[in-house]
Amino acid sequence: DAGVTQSPTHLIKTRGQQVTLRCSPKSGHDTVSWYQQALGQGPQFIFQYYEEEERQRGNFPDRFSGHQFPNYSSELNVNALLLGDSALYLCASSLGLGGVNEQFFGPGTRLTVL
Amino acid sequence: EDQVTQSPEALRLQEGESSSLNCSYTVSGLRGLFWYRQDPGKGPEFLFTLYSAGEEKEKERLKATLTKKESFLHITAPKPEDSATYLCAVQAPRGNTPLVFGKGTRLSVIA
Repeated sequence: DAGVTQSPTHLIKTRGQQVTLRCSPKSGHDTVSWYQQALGQGPQFIFQYYEEEERQRGNFPDRFSGHQFPNYSSELNVNALLLGDSALYLCASSLGLGGVNEQFFGPGTRLTVL
Repeated sequence: EDQVTQSPEALRLQEGESSSLNCSYTVSGLRGLFWYRQDPGKGPEFLFTLYSAGEEKEKERLKATLTKKESFLHITAPKPEDSATYLCAVQAPRGNTPLVFGKGTRLSVIA
């Protein structure tokens, strides 16, 4: 049973650049959520995608955008990178909307902005 | 605003020394409370979902319990391999709501 996969594992960018992170959900899941986790903090919700639409969004600026493809995989895009965007970016997958949102996480992408 | 507070921030135990981690929440009502384990630089690993006060779930040396305002993760006779950060998250009952996480408890078990 394939779990959640993310790519790349690590990424180094400079301020002002743009980055794209990728996620494939666990087999059988159709909903993808993205989180940002700063060092020593819990994950912070960025947004959630279901049926190729953004369904929920956390308190993140428009520089953060995403996409979901027909095969349920997803991308997170961040424009005009700031030093404060350095973090572990986590993708989580689940099944459907509503109900108990039991989510399974990928290994994360470590983004460093210099 | 829904809040989740975990305590202590860090806990150091000797191997075999049982203890408990606390997760208190202020969400009005609860659809689910979730416990995750996270190793350094890795993604959180799902442990338990609790739905209602009085519920308990067990997995190996871990037991999670739930009351109306808090949850406990009891660790019985821990081993060094139990060292990790333990995260608690809650989901409010209204509509399609995302998970709200606490900052976690960093557990170190010393042989």
